[in-house]
Amino acid sequence: DQQVKQNSPSLSVQEGRISILNCDYTNSMFDYFLWYKKYPAEGPTFLISISSIKDKNEDGRFTVFLNKSAKHLSLHIVPSQPGDSAVYFCAASAQGGSEKLVFGKGTKLTVNP
Amino acid sequence: SQTIHQWPATLVQPVGSPLSLECTVEGTSNPNLYWYRQAAGRGLQLLFYSVGIGQISSEVPQNLSASRPQDRQFILSSKKLLLSDSGFYLCAWSVPRRGRRDEQFFGPGTRLTVL
Repeated sequence: DQQVKQNSPSLSVQEGRISILNCDYTNSMFDYFLWYKKYPAEGPTFLISISSIKDKNEDGRFTVFLNKSAKHLSLHIVPSQPGDSAVYFCAASAQGGSEKLVFGKGTKLTVNP
Repeated sequence: SQTIHQWPATLVQPVGSPLSLECTVEGTSNPNLYWYRQAAGRGLQLLFYSVGIGQISSEVPQNLSASRPQDRQFILSSKKLLLSDSGFYLCAWSVPRRGRRDEQFFGPGTRLTVL
């Protein structure tokens, strides 16, 4: 049973345009969400997070939106750059869960010059 | 600054052989430590986590085990590898803080191929 779902395995966008990566979750106990970026043969690197008390968090070109009623979050990258090409993982954790993260399967983003 | 080391970077082992992967963290004290595996076509699966020396919690039943002999050292082991153990193994750490949730930081990973 997948608690965190990234239904799009891949996404291709043009440089300078917006990239939107989506993530859905099923566990209503999740209250903290993170996005990680991963290049091949490397460990994931943290991008941005959001607590369930917020519906938006912004950091430079990256914005995460949270819709708790729909159990849905999205990562917006504006403008997209070729260096953003990587696999993006959505992750979630629940209060009191020893900070254990549940990851989605990832979405491979390709930004074309 | 904090850094995390994993070795080896790649490993090819025959079925039935033992395994030992090591992870060390520098620049922080009493971190939470985690072992994840990314199998082909799948997301990151949490295998073990530890909140202190000698304290290990297992998330998925399997033929792997973990140990934490020192505060900043985390070891993943197996007595007999299976083909299904192939994958990309990642160690991660986080610093638990009261009333605050922090991200986990990942090491460079070990690519294990069991033949």
